Amino acid sequence: KQEVTQIPAALSVPEGENLVLNCSFTDSAIYNLQWFRQDPGKGLTSLLLIQSSQREQTSGRLNASLDKSSGRSTLYIAASQPGDSATYLCAAPFYNQGGKLIFGQGTELSVKP
Amino acid sequence: DAGITQSPRHKVTETGTPVTLRCHQTENHRYMYWYRQDPGHGLRLIHYSYGVKDTDKGEVSDGYSVSRSKTEDFLLTLESATSSQTSVYFCAISESGLAGADDTQYFGPGTRLTVL
Repeated sequence: KQEVTQIPAALSVPEGENLVLNCSFTDSAIYNLQWFRQDPGKGLTSLLLIQSSQREQTSGRLNASLDKSSGRSTLYIAASQPGDSATYLCAAPFYNQGGKLIFGQGTELSVKP
Repeated sequence: DAGITQSPRHKVTETGTPVTLRCHQTENHRYMYWYRQDPGHGLRLIHYSYGVKDTDKGEVSDGYSVSRSKTEDFLLTLESATSSQTSVYFCAISESGLAGADDTQYFGPGTRLTVL
């Protein structure tokens, strides 16, 4: 069974720090790897999508990388701000799941002023 | 933000009663999805639709049914609600489908359902 795992479940950092969130997946046969943000009581917001043929994507202070051979993706957040506090989820559509998105359980990030 | 609304946003009901949740989109996207989100389980797909009257099961479809009579509306029905269906339900939409290499999903604000 394909799985997506995110460790740690929670992370607290001081404002201004650069940080990395980790995502691992059990099967390299994925169509893409997606990162989402979820604020408390809200829906998910798409941050970045890396196609399976790509190695990374950037948006502002966010950079996501993808290494299919090792089954890993990372989300790098530069110069963190309190407004970055949220839960970050990664998800991947696996070939043999018919492309349905399988989500990790998320990393809850807290950026302290 | 993608035009997705869910109704109701909050609902408390009793075991054994039927419940219908509605998802409405203004983006004219072909694909629509229903997920539930629970602590310890994350987001799990219940059902999805790939067109009007075209639906299929997801990972946790038991106890749920769906209908899509118009492109913009996707209904999730709990025929006889149980306490295990207490959860937050999210609707999502996408343009290209499940396996599109660059297809992302856009999520609604969620419905918090409590079954007593």
